[in-house]
Amino acid sequence: EAQVTQNPRYLITVTGKKLTVTCSQNMNHEYMSWYRQDPGLGLRQIYYSMNVEVTDKGDVPEGYKVSRKEKRNFPLILESPSPNQTSLYFCASSRGQGARNEQFFGPGTRLTVL
Amino acid sequence: KNEVEQSPQNLTAQEGEFITINCSYSVGISALHWLQQHPGGGIVSLFMLSSGKKKHGRLIATINIQEKHSSLHITASHPRDSAVYICAVRSRETSGSRLTFGEGTQLTVNP
Repeated sequence: EAQVTQNPRYLITVTGKKLTVTCSQNMNHEYMSWYRQDPGLGLRQIYYSMNVEVTDKGDVPEGYKVSRKEKRNFPLILESPSPNQTSLYFCASSRGQGARNEQFFGPGTRLTVL
Repeated sequence: KNEVEQSPQNLTAQEGEFITINCSYSVGISALHWLQQHPGGGIVSLFMLSSGKKKHGRLIATINIQEKHSSLHITASHPRDSAVYICAVRSRETSGSRLTFGEGTQLTVNP
């Protein structure tokens, strides 16, 4: 089954404790991105990657890191999480960037930073 | 002013009604997406548009590039259509790599 998986689905952590949210897709997609969703602000892009070893900042990259060492995986790293990073996070992938390319979303990761 | 604005923010309808959700944007775009987010949180892509009109079942999406406006229509609405509908644009001005989202329209369809 074609899908985007994220782990963990739920995470409660404390300020400053490094964490990684994994994202994996099995569709051989080139393009992957991370979004956060907050009430009243909607979805905002954190980082995106156009292919292996090619990443770029989205609208809200501060406090996050990403890497794309393999085509299928695009982990999101919070080196020193803070309470303002409490949010619902989505990973997504698509074959490319153009108008014909459907975005496939992961199930979401609900992160709480105390 | 947000680059992408949706209206209405909330919409309640009776089963069977025709529904329209609007999306206006202020930048040049290469594509516009309509997404559906279910109460459980999962997001599904409904349509991608760069011009004209697309139809899938009871859903119709239109876009007017000159007016920078898109609409999502649901015919013969059903309670299972209850969800948040999100408009997103892929801006031409940022090499098309970034998606900007509207805040979403919460649709509730009552039986």
